[in-house]
Amino acid sequence: QKEVEQDPGPLSVPEGAIVSLNCTYSNSAFQYFMWYRQYSRKGPELLMYTYSSGNKEDGRFTAQVDKSSKYISLFIRDSQPSDSATYLCAMSAFRDDKIIFGKGTRLHILP
Amino acid sequence: DSGVTQTPKHLITATGQRVTLRCSPRSGDLSVYWYQQSLDQGLQFLIQYYNGEERAKGNILERFSAQQFPDLHSELNLSSLELGDSALYFCASSVEVLAGDNEQFFGPGTRLTVL
Repeated sequence: QKEVEQDPGPLSVPEGAIVSLNCTYSNSAFQYFMWYRQYSRKGPELLMYTYSSGNKEDGRFTAQVDKSSKYISLFIRDSQPSDSATYLCAMSAFRDDKIIFGKGTRLHILP
Repeated sequence: DSGVTQTPKHLITATGQRVTLRCSPRSGDLSVYWYQQSLDQGLQFLIQYYNGEERAKGNILERFSAQQFPDLHSELNLSSLELGDSALYFCASSVEVLAGDNEQFFGPGTRLTVL
């Protein structure tokens, strides 16, 4: 079983829809959870950074962590064509530890 | 622009050769991380340096090595290259590990093609 599982997609949704992206993981030691966005031919950029379980909201983005189920989610409200990218979940056991990435979900927002 | 620079952008070489990838972290960042991204494996952590010292190792092959210099720039050396080494190589940097959320800022990557 891989440490982090993420559906590669692609996921296509109409503009304005709510997008739900998810990852599951197996290592119960993970405490720090991240979502990165990667545009084609660019490096990943951090979108959300959360510690332990709970929700975190930043503008149109909401990250949820359920450590009991080893499941994390990223919600994008009022999706825009500019949100079209690959979204990678990532996690680590300690703040300065190596980060384990999911393989990424390709998202297409259709105008 | 993340502030992390990587050179070269593209590199095409032959099997058996050796190449060096260079990374300059953001100003003030002491930690440098190297990652390999391929279609089948995704983004894989290779190695981390903190202020010149190796801090953590991931799935880095013995043919690969890295170092961080006193000016904090880092180099990743790949030798005896194989076709399977073709990938995007990213460098990331972060501030001193004890501060903040340890956000890693990624460079634009070096695309390595081994023919």
